[in-house]
Amino acid sequence: AQKVTQAQTEISVVEKEDVTLDCVYETRDTTYYLFWYKQPPSGELVFLIRRNSFDEQNEISGRYSWNFQKSTSSFNFTITASQVVDSAVYFCALIEPTNAGKSTFGDGTTLTVKP
Amino acid sequence: EAQVTQNPRYLITVTGKKLTVTCSQNMNHEYMSWYRQDPGLGLRQIYYSMNVEVTDKGDVPEGYKVSRKEKRNFPLILESPSPNQTSLYFCASSLSPTGSGNTIYFGEGSWLTVV
Repeated sequence: AQKVTQAQTEISVVEKEDVTLDCVYETRDTTYYLFWYKQPPSGELVFLIRRNSFDEQNEISGRYSWNFQKSTSSFNFTITASQVVDSAVYFCALIEPTNAGKSTFGDGTTLTVKP
Repeated sequence: EAQVTQNPRYLITVTGKKLTVTCSQNMNHEYMSWYRQDPGLGLRQIYYSMNVEVTDKGDVPEGYKVSRKEKRNFPLILESPSPNQTSLYFCASSLSPTGSGNTIYFGEGSWLTVV
């Protein structure tokens, strides 16, 4: 069965600090897809990134970077030089193609960036 | 503009009074899904649809029904709402369940309170 664990319930940092949000997953499949979403205080959900299990390259998008390590079943998300606007709840999610259509989300990490 | 539209955005209803939350997307996406978000539980998938007339249960389908008679619409039906269905509901759509080749779009959310 698929499972996603975001052990950090809440993180608080001061602006300009770097912060890493952890995501650990469980799956029996060799092919799977991992996602990160952002939910700012306004409540909408924003898709950030999708990664398939065959692509272990790290990805960088501006201040955001993602580190995918199959050996530790982790897909961690780092925000560099955090800003107040990064304050949000961040969700990690997993989809197994053998269970196509079903997605499993972690419980989310609430990030607060203080000025 | 690409979007997923949910209605109503906010609703207070009484136990047992049937209600429908509509979801419509304008991107000709095949895949649509419904989630509920509760404090501390992240997002949990209710139902999903791989295409017209193809629907399947997610992790928490009890008390809900869906239909997919046309590609753009995926309504969520609560035949006899109960207070434990008080939640924030999200509809999502994408070309495929794994989001390949496209972004995953979410509606703005529907706050439902059952008293």
